[in-house]
Amino acid sequence: KAGVTQTPRYLIKTRGQQVTLSCSPISGHRSVSWYQQTPGQGLQFLFEYFSETQRNKGNFPGRFSGRQFSNSRSEMNVSTLELGDSALYLCASSLLITDTQYFGPGTRLTVL
Amino acid sequence: EDQVTQSPEALRLQEGESSSLNCSYTVSGLRGLFWYRQDPGKGPEFLFTLYSAGEEKEKERLKATLTKKESFLHITAPKPEDSATYLCAVQAKIGGNKLVFGAGTILRVKS
Repeated sequence: KAGVTQTPRYLIKTRGQQVTLSCSPISGHRSVSWYQQTPGQGLQFLFEYFSETQRNKGNFPGRFSGRQFSNSRSEMNVSTLELGDSALYLCASSLLITDTQYFGPGTRLTVL
Repeated sequence: EDQVTQSPEALRLQEGESSSLNCSYTVSGLRGLFWYRQDPGKGPEFLFTLYSAGEEKEKERLKATLTKKESFLHITAPKPEDSATYLCAVQAKIGGNKLVFGAGTILRVKS
């Protein structure tokens, strides 16, 4: 069974630009969550989606947004990029909400 | 606020030298405690889920245990390939899918 896939794997942007990251969950999984990982803050929860609805949101500014499509694939968007947004963005999928989450390889975003 | 503290921050072991990693937590109603392993440049890899105090789970050289305040990941006779960052996370009964992670323990096993 294929795991969680994330595209692109690496991304370099400049301050003020916006970026869209994509996540394809494990086949049959309906819940997708996003996390940000930085050396200083560790892994922090961004938001979760189930059945195309955002169910929960972490403590991040409104520049961070996401959505989920009918096939459970998800995208997250960061607008007006700041240097501090440089991080590894991880997507995790689970069969249902509260089930074990399986992570993808992440997208490494560098903001210059 | 839910919190997870892992210790030690880093651990260096000789091959075959058994040890334990600690995960202390405070959570408003625990639904589950999760252990993940993360290799450099990769996403976390799921190891175990523990749901109630007294529960234990084993996989190869790893054994995870849970009490009401902490969890331990015991590593028996480690090998160099066990070198990784081990992450502990809690999920509250209220809060959907959100995982609250500790900072991790960096394990290095030398041959």
